[in-house]
Amino acid sequence: EDKVVQSPLSLVVHEGDTVTLNCSYEVTNFRSLLWYKQEKKAPTFLFMLTSSGIEKKSGRLSSILDKKELFSILNITATQTGDSAVYLCAEDKIIFGKGTRLHILP
Amino acid sequence: EAGVVQSPRYKIIEKKQPVAFWCNPISGHNTLYWYRQNLGQGPELLIRYENEEAVDDSQLPKDRFSAERLKGVDSTLKIQPAELGDSAVYLCASSLVPTRVIDTQYFGPGTRLTVL
Repeated sequence: EDKVVQSPLSLVVHEGDTVTLNCSYEVTNFRSLLWYKQEKKAPTFLFMLTSSGIEKKSGRLSSILDKKELFSILNITATQTGDSAVYLCAEDKIIFGKGTRLHILP
Repeated sequence: EAGVVQSPRYKIIEKKQPVAFWCNPISGHNTLYWYRQNLGQGPELLIRYENEEAVDDSQLPKDRFSAERLKGVDSTLKIQPAELGDSAVYLCASSLVPTRVIDTQYFGPGTRLTVL
């Protein structure tokens, strides 16, 4: 059965800290790995990764994919309270993990 | 530019009643997705359309759920009859090109369904 597993399920850090969120996957035919941020409403798209080892970056957020070890990480540097959200990863917009709930303390 | 529009935003019904959700994707987006999200879980894909064709409906409980996307634009998801376990947020999303191409996906605000 195809699945996506995220860890940790929840994380509390102080503002200014750097966090790393993990996403591992087991799928029959891998196509892409996506990261989303979900606050109190619908998910918003962050990154789409298809190739190993190529970092995608947007401001303080970055992500990379390892297709050999079947995982991806999402890094957030210099965290701010506005980064508090649930971060979801998904394979090909189809199979989602349960998300990591990130809370940033001021 | 308007985003993905969904209605209603909230719906409360009694079990065994029918319910329908409507979604209007971003103009020009030919791929449309319906997801169900339970509390504390990630979205679960119910059905994906490319234009008016349902290309992935393997997770749609076909005994009670149905969907249509006439003319390849807006879409309706129906549940008949609703069960207590159907209480969830139903999300619609759209994207410009088929799933396998690098693309951004946009979600609507969702419909929160409560079945009593």
